[in-house]
Amino acid sequence: QKEVEQNSGPLSVPEGAIASLNCTYSDRVSQSFFWYRQYSGKSPELIMSIYSNGDKEDGRFTAQLNKASQYVSLLIRDSQPSDSATYLCAVKREAGTALIFGKGTTLSVSS
Amino acid sequence: DAGVIQSPRHEVTEMGQEVTLRCKPISGHNSLFWYRQTMMRGLELLIYFNNNVPIDDSGMPEDRFSAKMPNASFSTLKIQPSEPRDSAVYFCASSRDHYEQYFGPGTRLTVT
Repeated sequence: QKEVEQNSGPLSVPEGAIASLNCTYSDRVSQSFFWYRQYSGKSPELIMSIYSNGDKEDGRFTAQLNKASQYVSLLIRDSQPSDSATYLCAVKREAGTALIFGKGTTLSVSS
Repeated sequence: DAGVIQSPRHEVTEMGQEVTLRCKPISGHNSLFWYRQTMMRGLELLIYFNNNVPIDDSGMPEDRFSAKMPNASFSTLKIQPSEPRDSAVYFCASSRDHYEQYFGPGTRLTVT
């Protein structure tokens, strides 16, 4: 079983819609969760971090964490063509350990 | 505030040659990470340092790879000898006290 799993996509949504990106992780002791956005040919860019169960909102982005289900998601409201990118989920087990990345979900927002 | 700086941005070399990649972390960050990204394997951690000390190098593929961090503002990743299968994008990232990591622009390595 892969440690961090994401659907590779592509996930296609029309402009203005809500994009929902999902991630599951295998290690129950994981404590910190991150979403990175990566445009083609560019480096990963941190967009959200979440550490406790529930929702965390930042502008058009909402991260949701459910530790019991070992599930973290990213919602993008009012999707824009500029949101078209690969979204990487990353999980940290505990302080002093490195991030484990999923392989990413490619999002395509059509105008 | 300057972000993570990597050099060179692109490197093309022949099989068997030595390759050295360089990274300057964000000032004040005490953790530094080297990753490799390929289409097949995604983003893989190679090694990471905390306070200039290597903490986990289990991702280093083999003895041809080595990394150093002589001080808080500089790190190198060396491949000797290089092979075509080393072709990838190599990212350096840094963080403060194990929190959010910030990535550099990457070095695209092509070994022919």
